[in-house]
Amino acid sequence: KNQVEQSPQSLIILEGKNCTLQCNYTVSPFSNLRWYKQDTGRGPVSLTIMTFSENTKSNGRYTATLDADTKQSSLHITASQLSDSASYICVVSGGSYIPTFGRGTSLIVHP
Amino acid sequence: NAGVTQTPKFRVLKTGQSMTLLCAQDMNHEYMYWYRQDPGMGLRLIHYSVGEGTTAKGEVPDGYNVSRLKKQNFLLGLESAAPSQTSVYFCASTIDYTYEQYFGPGTRLTVT
Repeated sequence: KNQVEQSPQSLIILEGKNCTLQCNYTVSPFSNLRWYKQDTGRGPVSLTIMTFSENTKSNGRYTATLDADTKQSSLHITASQLSDSASYICVVSGGSYIPTFGRGTSLIVHP
Repeated sequence: NAGVTQTPKFRVLKTGQSMTLLCAQDMNHEYMYWYRQDPGMGLRLIHYSVGEGTTAKGEVPDGYNVSRLKKQNFLLGLESAAPSQTSVYFCASTIDYTYEQYFGPGTRLTVT
């Protein structure tokens, strides 16, 4: 069964600090991996998308990495801001119409 | 472009009542999805559509029906609402199932 596991479930950091969120998946075959940001009360918004051949992709202060051999991805947030407080969801697409969603990591940034 | 819109934004139903949630997209996307999101459960797929006139079951389809009569609209129906259907419902669309999904703002439904 295709699965996406995210860790930690929740994280609290101080403004200005860096943090890394983890995503492990068992989806096969693999097409791409996406990270979404979901602000409270809103729908998810895509941050990055990576295919099999890409191992790093940045979007401003967000940097995603992918190790397709170990089936792991991470999302690194640099110099966190209060607006980074959100849920971050890892999504993996494979050979079917239905992508596999992780349950998300809830990040809280304190001033 | 409005993107993906959902109607209504909030709704309170009594057990046994019925309602329809409307999702509309103006991006000419083929694929559309309905999810529910509950605390600690993440997004779970209810039904999806791969094109006008098609629908298919997702992970948690029981108690819901859908229709895709027009390419731009995807309707989610609850025939007899139950308290277990209290949730936030998100619609999403994409031009290709391997591409990113664009989500609507959500509908918060409470069944008492």
